[in-house]
Amino acid sequence: GDSVTQMEGPVTLSEEAFLTINCTYTATGYPSLFWYVQYPGEGLQLLLKATKADDKGSNKGFEATYRKETTSFHLEKGSVQVSDSAVYFCALRPGFQKLVFGTGTRLLVSP
Amino acid sequence: DGGITQSPKYLFRKEGQNVTLSCEQNLNHDAMYWYRQDPGQGLRLIYYSQIVNDFQKGDIAEGYSVSREKKESFPLTVTSAQKNPTAFYLCASSLDQRDPYEQYFGPGTRLTVT
Repeated sequence: GDSVTQMEGPVTLSEEAFLTINCTYTATGYPSLFWYVQYPGEGLQLLLKATKADDKGSNKGFEATYRKETTSFHLEKGSVQVSDSAVYFCALRPGFQKLVFGTGTRLLVSP
Repeated sequence: DGGITQSPKYLFRKEGQNVTLSCEQNLNHDAMYWYRQDPGQGLRLIYYSQIVNDFQKGDIAEGYSVSREKKESFPLTVTSAQKNPTAFYLCASSLDQRDPYEQYFGPGTRLTVT
């Protein structure tokens, strides 16, 4: 079935460091891909999305490129801030179906 | 301000009691969803509704029930049949269930059953 695999956390970085959170997926067809962010005690917010191969989603300095050949959608940011500390979820939507989420990766950024 | 409200933020119940979690949206969205989040796990879909008076089971519907009598409201009842009800519950909505409409999430309700 459809699934999403994320790297285990927590990812611990110093402020201004480069961030990569890996996400790979298994799906039939051509799913849309998403990154959601969850700040402590809150619901999820859509961070970025890509709907077809080679699309790059970007928002608030975060980027992710839909790589069909490697079935990946890695999240990157050039310079993280303390305020980026949160849990990040990769998700896919295979066609007209429900969202399938990864297990989440916690990011901790220290000053 | 458009959005999704869930109340209360924290809820405590004794084992064996049913409890209803509220979810209201004023985004004029057709589709609504309930997810459960446990530590170290992703979100798991409990129920979803594409339109008023219609809803479908998700991946973990056992021990839960829902209703969709109004477009704006999608309450979730956690029954005493749910074996492990303590969790963080998230409600979401989308304009339409079809891609590429994104899902908007509420702030969540943390339910603790002792």
